[in-house]
Amino acid sequence: GEDVEQSLFLSVREGDSSVINCTYTDSSSTYLYWYKQEPGAGLQLLTYIFSNMDMKQDQRLTVLLNKKDKHLSLRIADTQTGDSAIYFCADGKPGGYNKLIFGAGTRLAVHP
Amino acid sequence: DGGITQSPKYLFRKEGQNVTLSCEQNLNHDAMYWYRQDPGQGLRLIYYSQIVNDFQKGDIAEGYSVSREKKESFPLTVTSAQKNPTAFYLCASSLQGAEWNTEAFFGQGTRLTVV
Repeated sequence: GEDVEQSLFLSVREGDSSVINCTYTDSSSTYLYWYKQEPGAGLQLLTYIFSNMDMKQDQRLTVLLNKKDKHLSLRIADTQTGDSAIYFCADGKPGGYNKLIFGAGTRLAVHP
Repeated sequence: DGGITQSPKYLFRKEGQNVTLSCEQNLNHDAMYWYRQDPGQGLRLIYYSQIVNDFQKGDIAEGYSVSREKKESFPLTVTSAQKNPTAFYLCASSLQGAEWNTEAFFGQGTRLTVV
């Protein structure tokens, strides 16, 4: 079946880059997403990448997609304490029912 | 401002009681979803609705029920048949379609605790 996997925890120093990794199994995925969840809140879309792209950059965020290995990563440059949150990778297919399969989430802790 | 609103933020339920979680959106989205979030796990889909008066079971629908009488509203009832209802519940909505980005917009969640 479809599955999305992420490591559960990442700790980085303020100012360093963070790289959060994700693997997925469904080769028919059309869009891949990164969502951010702050404590006690809903999910907020950070960025997404279409499956025919290798890379997408949006300010401090860089998404890399290796479709052959079904590997997605999110790089956050110059990580700040406000970036501390849980980051979810999700894969989705549009058309009719837009089913999203979420990973378990990576908790990013940023320390001074 | 357009958005999706869940209420209440915190909810306490006694064992054996049914409770209903509210979800309202003014984004004019056709599709709405309910997810359950447990610590250390990803979001799991409970129910989804693609259009008014229609809804489908997700991966963990047992012990839950929904209705979709209006486009804007998709309430979730947690019934007494749900054996482990304590969790964080998230509602989401999205556009439908085959070609465009299917970003899901999430509410702020309802934390349900059985006491």
